[in-house]
Amino acid sequence: GENVEQHPSTLSVQEGDSAVIKCTYSDSASNYFPWYKQELGKGPQLIIDIRSNVGEKKDQRIAVTLNKTAKHFSLHITETQPEDSAVYFCAANDFGNEKLTFGTGTRLTIIP
Amino acid sequence: NAGVTQTPKFQVLKTGQSMTLQCAQDMNHNSMYWYRQDPGMGLRLIYYSASEGTTDKGEVPNGYNVSRLNKREFSLRLESAAPSQTSVYFCASNSNTYEQYFGPGTRLTVT
Repeated sequence: GENVEQHPSTLSVQEGDSAVIKCTYSDSASNYFPWYKQELGKGPQLIIDIRSNVGEKKDQRIAVTLNKTAKHFSLHITETQPEDSAVYFCAANDFGNEKLTFGTGTRLTIIP
Repeated sequence: NAGVTQTPKFQVLKTGQSMTLQCAQDMNHNSMYWYRQDPGMGLRLIYYSASEGTTDKGEVPNGYNVSRLNKREFSLRLESAAPSQTSVYFCASNSNTYEQYFGPGTRLTVT
């Protein structure tokens, strides 16, 4: 099955700076890579996703890049704000079904 | 729409007790999932249901059973709780777009 590794496990960034979280996956057949944000006491919520036919996708201050050859993808948050503080999870699909394999999460703290 | 709802929000059990975690979704989704979340371990899939009447094991199914009662509801049962099952449990559902919608979670402590 798929295996997803995520780094770093914790990240502190000064408000206004950029944050980058990286993930690698093992199954070259995976073709869907979402990112979820989990705020304290809540369930994860999808913030952006990318499919394997696209190399980069942006949505305002967040962007995701995908390198299929190297089997890694990254989340980029620019102009960070206090409300960006949360735990972020990457995931990759198991090809042929609707299951997702999640990374172990990154706790992002924005320092005012 | 309420989305995905879970009950209870919190539960404390003694070792050996049983309980059922309830999950319901009102988005007419076919697929539903149960995950557990432990520190440093991310979200691990316990069981999965692709449609009403079907269930499949995920990564960590031991000690759990599930029932897909109808299209809306998917319950998770612990027959004989163990301290290793102390965790936060999330239910999720999705349509055919892969995006999963999560419930608010159930925090379970087994003493």
